[in-house]
Amino acid sequence: QQPVQSPQAVILREGEDAVINCSSSKALYSVHWYRQKHGEAPVFLMILLKGGEQKGHDKISASFNEKKQQSSLYLTASQLSYSGTYFCGLQRGSTLGRLYFGRGTQLTVWP
Amino acid sequence: EAQVTQNPRYLITVTGKKLTVTCSQNMNHEYMSWYRQDPGLGLRQIYYSMNVEVTDKGDVPEGYKVSRKEKRNFPLILESPSPNQTSLYFCASSLLTGNNSPLHFGNGTRLTVT
Repeated sequence: QQPVQSPQAVILREGEDAVINCSSSKALYSVHWYRQKHGEAPVFLMILLKGGEQKGHDKISASFNEKKQQSSLYLTASQLSYSGTYFCGLQRGSTLGRLYFGRGTQLTVWP
Repeated sequence: EAQVTQNPRYLITVTGKKLTVTCSQNMNHEYMSWYRQDPGLGLRQIYYSMNVEVTDKGDVPEGYKVSRKEKRNFPLILESPSPNQTSLYFCASSLLTGNNSPLHFGNGTRLTVT
């Protein structure tokens, strides 16, 4: 039931773009995205509900394709502060109960 | 300040010695949950609670107990810890209203069982 994230790791230069994918084999109600910096707790980025909406947060945006049961996180013009591990969390029902996290994508941004 | 507080931050113990990791939130959240994080495995849910006196198993509940006697507290109990429970543990809480229920995480407890 754990979602599959890809890629496992990505290395960028400042200003480059990246896409992180999260896919599920089962129907989804919503997708959560979190970022965790080394030695810290995960921090909430955004939630996307089924319906294929796209949301944005500064230069980080995400989409949710309900048919494909897939979400993608887009990081545009990456900054050093974007470095960290990104996790998607899948919620299957309308009420938060079980939340299944992927194994994470480690993003490193170099100057 | 709105926060989720876990204690202790670091804990080293021996196999079989019962321990409790405390978690408290001051945001009046109905939902609370425990996760463990191991290298390469991401965050795996241990138990969660939708409200007082309501708890349910997550993906990896074996070897753990929880209780939710008060809304603000959700302790994680290891009755007989074993080395395979060495991990980084996170408590999280959320407000269960509407469709937007982000998790607020505590700072984590790094547990080592020898």
